[in-house]
Amino acid sequence: GQQLNQSPQSMFIQEGEDVSMNCTSSSIFNTWLWYKQDPGEGPVLLIALYKAGELTSNGRLTAQFGITRKDSFLNISASIPSDVGIYFCAGPREYGGSQGNLIFGKGTKLSVKP
Amino acid sequence: DTGVSQNPRHKITKRGQNVTFRCDPISEHNRLYWYRQTLGQGPEFLTYFQNEAQLEKSRLLSDRFSAERPKGSFSTLEIQRTEQGDSAMYLCASSSMGVTNSPLHFGNGTRLTVT
Repeated sequence: GQQLNQSPQSMFIQEGEDVSMNCTSSSIFNTWLWYKQDPGEGPVLLIALYKAGELTSNGRLTAQFGITRKDSFLNISASIPSDVGIYFCAGPREYGGSQGNLIFGKGTKLSVKP
Repeated sequence: DTGVSQNPRHKITKRGQNVTFRCDPISEHNRLYWYRQTLGQGPEFLTYFQNEAQLEKSRLLSDRFSAERPKGSFSTLEIQRTEQGDSAMYLCASSSMGVTNSPLHFGNGTRLTVT
């Protein structure tokens, strides 16, 4: 079945560093979504991508929809402490159901370097 | 717009008991979703309502689970005869049918612990 693989699983950041993470699948996705989840809260949508090759920014965040439709990356520039959290990629299940029936990756956990 | 509201935020119950969670979506949203999230995993889809009609159910939704949205506004998720494996965060989300590519807005979830 469809699966989303995120890497890295976790990473440590120092304030000011740029961060890069990606999401891959063996299946084609027609929409790629990036969410952030803080402890004890629900996921919040950061960026939505709807077209292969699309590059979209939201403040210090930039995400791209891969040309093959099987991958996407998210970059965070000049990280700040509040960037800490878990980042999920997600996409709609392909069978033609609701656009809200999403498959999520397992997440990339961002923590602050001790 | 007060966002998606879920109650209770936390629930501890003993194995075998029934529990019910409530979700109040964003008021103008007619689509409502339930997801489950276990530790270290992303959310997993459980079920979807368009207005009061339950249009999709995941195979994860065993016969001990039932969801309702009687008037097309708030929704409830009931788990009967809870098992320890039901311990998870239960997330509700809503979106608008009238908006193309309307994103899902998630609530802050109900964390269930079955002892």
